Amino acid sequence: QSVLTQPPSASGTPGQRVTISCSGSSSNIGSNIVNWYQQRPGTAPKLLIYSDNQWPSGVPDRFSGSRSGTSASLAISGLQSEDEANYYCAAWDDSVHGLLFGTGTKVTVL
Amino acid sequence: EVQLVESGGGLVKPGGSLRLSCAASGFSFSTYSMNWVRQAPGQGLEWVASISSSSTYTYYADSAKVRFIISRDNAKNSLILQMDSLRAEDTGIYYCTRDSFQGSGNYFPDQSHYDYWGQGTLVTVSS
Repeated sequence: QSVLTQPPSASGTPGQRVTISCSGSSSNIGSNIVNWYQQRPGTAPKLLIYSDNQWPSGVPDRFSGSRSGTSASLAISGLQSEDEANYYCAAWDDSVHGLLFGTGTKVTVL
Repeated sequence: EVQLVESGGGLVKPGGSLRLSCAASGFSFSTYSMNWVRQAPGQGLEWVASISSSSTYTYYADSAKVRFIISRDNAKNSLILQMDSLRAEDTGIYYCTRDSFQGSGNYFPDQSHYDYWGQGTLVTVSS
């Protein structure tokens, strides 16, 4: 499977917790680290989580990542209006020798 | 402050060529691997190509193999993407990204992430 599958959308009210899944295979998520990127409308993507569960400087710990088997997930706790964005997982694939991005999930704050 | 500024995008006819550039500043460019990522209008992100710090290693998406060439000029702190035989499906915003992998030896793209992104340059392939 040369694709990382994410749900197209997710939503929640302010303060709620939202979880986004990223499903892959043994040649990508099953073997390599997962990174997450956030892209707000009209802007360039930004690194959100790296090496499965690490935060870059400046990213609040409301965001957390995990990986198990051939799946990964991103959780956003204490949802805020500024979290409205598209979120992409990414992992290297050993079969195609290339980076795969997930299909993307649009998060809406209700 | 790390800055990545892309240029060279524009309107080109199918079968034509474009040369994208990325001017890097605020970090030791010659020690970092670099990448290109693109995004078709209203679509998701697609990795295009990666290059190690000393140009020893290059990797390409299947969609870019043969038609695109990634290169760099460390003396000028510049990343290049030469795109030939362009197709309508190559239309999109092209982002230059800095790889977290730093070093002059082996390059391990499976262990890295893209920690800085430029604002992108728009490529439109249309007759």
